Amino acid sequence: DVKVTQSSRYLVKRTGEKVFLECVQDMDHENMFWYRQDPGLGLRLIYFSYDVKMKEKGDIPEGYSVSREKKERFSLILESASTNQTSMYLCATLGSGSSYEQYFGPGTRLTVT
Amino acid sequence: DAKTTQPPSMDCAEGRAANLPCNHSTISGNEYVYWYRQIHSQGPQYIIHGLKNNETNEMASLIITEDRKSSTLILPHATLRDTAVYYCIVREGFSGGYNKLIFGAGTRLAVHP
Repeated sequence: DVKVTQSSRYLVKRTGEKVFLECVQDMDHENMFWYRQDPGLGLRLIYFSYDVKMKEKGDIPEGYSVSREKKERFSLILESASTNQTSMYLCATLGSGSSYEQYFGPGTRLTVT
Repeated sequence: DAKTTQPPSMDCAEGRAANLPCNHSTISGNEYVYWYRQIHSQGPQYIIHGLKNNETNEMASLIITEDRKSSTLILPHATLRDTAVYYCIVREGFSGGYNKLIFGAGTRLAVHP
C-alpha cells in the first residue's frame, strides 16, 4: 500500500513564524501536491512537483513556497505565517501511468495565532 | 474545465445501497470521472474512476450514462463507516505532468442505523 506521512497532525504557530510542513511518501511517485482545505471552500491546490527540484504553482501559491530535494520528500514552507493560513494542509502523491488516483496523507491542522 | 454538481447531503440506512449522483454535463471526451471520499479528520481516499464503461471494485460501483453527462456512485451495502463526504471529480487533461484534481464541495453522506 502507498504510504504518505506528514510530519505533524496538529501544529500551533505564532504570526510571523517560519513554518515547515513535511510530507514523505514511500512509493517512488513522481508527482507530489500540497493542498489546503477550508470549510466551504473545499480543497485548493497550493503547489505541486512532478520531479525532484521541479515545482509549479497551483491556484493559491501566495504566501507559500516549496522544496523538493529528494523524490520521496516534499516540503511546504510558510515564510511568515499569518492568521489567514490557519487551515488543514494535505499532501498527496501520484504515480505515472494510466491510472491517476492521488494518495493523500492524514493532514496537518495548522493554527496560527 | 469540466465542472461537477452534487447534492450537498444524503442519508442512507445501514445495509442499504447508497446511490450518490453527480452531474458533469461539460465533460470532454478524454476526461475521466473520479470518486474520492473523506472521512472526518482524514485525508481524501480514492474510491473508483471510469471513462465510459461502468466500473466495479471492492469498494463501490460506478455507473456512467451513455452521454457521459452524469454518473452515480453506488455503495452496495452501506455501513456506518461509510459516513463521509464524497467527491465527484473530472480530471483535467494531461499537461506536462500536471494532473490536477479539482475538488468541489462534495456530498455529505450520513449512514444511520
